[in-house]
Amino acid sequence: DIVMTQSPTSMSISVGDRVTMNCKASQNVGSNVDWYQQKTGQSPKLLIYKASNRYTGVPDRFTGSGSGTDFTFTISNMQAEDLAVYYCMQSNSYPPTFGGGTKLELK
Amino acid sequence: QIQLVQSGPELKKPGESVKISCKASGYTFTDYAMHWVKQVPGKGLKWMGWINTYTGKPTYADDFKGRFVFSLEASASTANLQISNLKNEDTANVFCARCGLTGSPLYWYFDFWGPGTMVTVSS
Repeated sequence: DIVMTQSPTSMSISVGDRVTMNCKASQNVGSNVDWYQQKTGQSPKLLIYKASNRYTGVPDRFTGSGSGTDFTFTISNMQAEDLAVYYCMQSNSYPPTFGGGTKLELK
Repeated sequence: QIQLVQSGPELKKPGESVKISCKASGYTFTDYAMHWVKQVPGKGLKWMGWINTYTGKPTYADDFKGRFVFSLEASASTANLQISNLKNEDTANVFCARCGLTGSPLYWYFDFWGPGTMVTVSS
């Protein structure tokens, strides 16, 4: 199975910050990476698909980039409602696998 | 609007069975595959497998072969997951997730998720 390694595992941030997190695949997954947001007590929500495409209705402060084995997810202007755990997922090879998540906490 | 509504929390003893349902509305059920994802409390997400809602053919991840059964009640737009011979390590929140498609060539992702069903296995 492809291992997706996310870093950092947690971040202490302030409203207004630019937040960047990473996801590294154990082998080439092309651009077949999605990013999901999971708030406490809720189900995951799709934000970015195919590495860099914003899903319908997702604010443009959320962006994704990368290909191959290295992917980046950025929140350009952190809002309080963005506090959540963010997961990357590869869909290039079966089984689809998720990273361990990056948790955003208020400083 | 598209919704996935899952059955309520379950408390079971080791060795018992449980059936979780996921009722879809707001779209044609048989047009989109349904996937299942496990989340141990406080931990990450693990893909369990999926069911083709048109043919009823299930596909299981390796760790979910044997005791896990995906099924459909297509007339009721419902996907089900049955877990038999429950073990303590089955304690988790289980999500159903619709498999959306976009683009050419087609790209798939999980565009709608159920709220999760918490299964607790304890003696």
